[in-house]
Amino acid sequence: QSALTQPPSASGSPGQSVTISCTGTSSDVGVYDYVSWYQQHPGKAPKLMIYEVIKRPSGVPARFSGSKSGNTASLTVSGLQAEDEADYYCSSYAGSNNLVFGGGTKLTVL
Amino acid sequence: QLQLQESGPRLVKPSETLSLSCTVSGGSMNSNSYSWAWIRQPPGKGLEWIGSVFYSGDTYNNPSLKSRVTMSVDTSKNQFSLKLTSVTAPDTAVYYCARHLAYAHGGEWIGPWGQGTLVTVSS
Repeated sequence: QSALTQPPSASGSPGQSVTISCTGTSSDVGVYDYVSWYQQHPGKAPKLMIYEVIKRPSGVPARFSGSKSGNTASLTVSGLQAEDEADYYCSSYAGSNNLVFGGGTKLTVL
Repeated sequence: QLQLQESGPRLVKPSETLSLSCTVSGGSMNSNSYSWAWIRQPPGKGLEWIGSVFYSGDTYNNPSLKSRVTMSVDTSKNQFSLKLTSVTAPDTAVYYCARHLAYAHGGEWIGPWGQGTLVTVSS
């Protein structure tokens, strides 16, 4: 059960948009529309930002959006703000009641 | 508002068993829709799902840890627990408990999460 692949880092200036990728396989991301994204600030617990590829929980700003193409899911943060600087993790259902996470991406707001 | 809080020993000796509990407040665990999950994060590293338990007691685990993991639920106390046997240094991590809407119940997301507790494996 391999972790999903994310870039270690991403960055953007305030107001810009940044996209973080999450690459899996045809056994997880490619076959199930159950990709989630979590935001984690230093020393804090993760927070659900996107679920089922494109859905936002109540209270999550519309600046956060998700998408998927083939085996790769993406999280886009538009109109970057200083408080968006955090680590972001993707996860995907991987069949047989298994859940797999990505290695995480550190987003820096320049 | 649902809240979760982990508790248990912060230091465990190698080869011994790590035991943690999670207390759920602000809501009931008696749900046919949600399971209750354990996730860990080694210092400076990424997240790893350990497993999840339904209020019925049914469990499902990460295959890489399956033989060492036992989970249970005590709905009368609104608590669920984790036991990880034969621990070694790589089991040192922040352990989180959380609510889990699992694929088996029409979704696949985790939230809210507890604040996490660092468990160190060392003699």
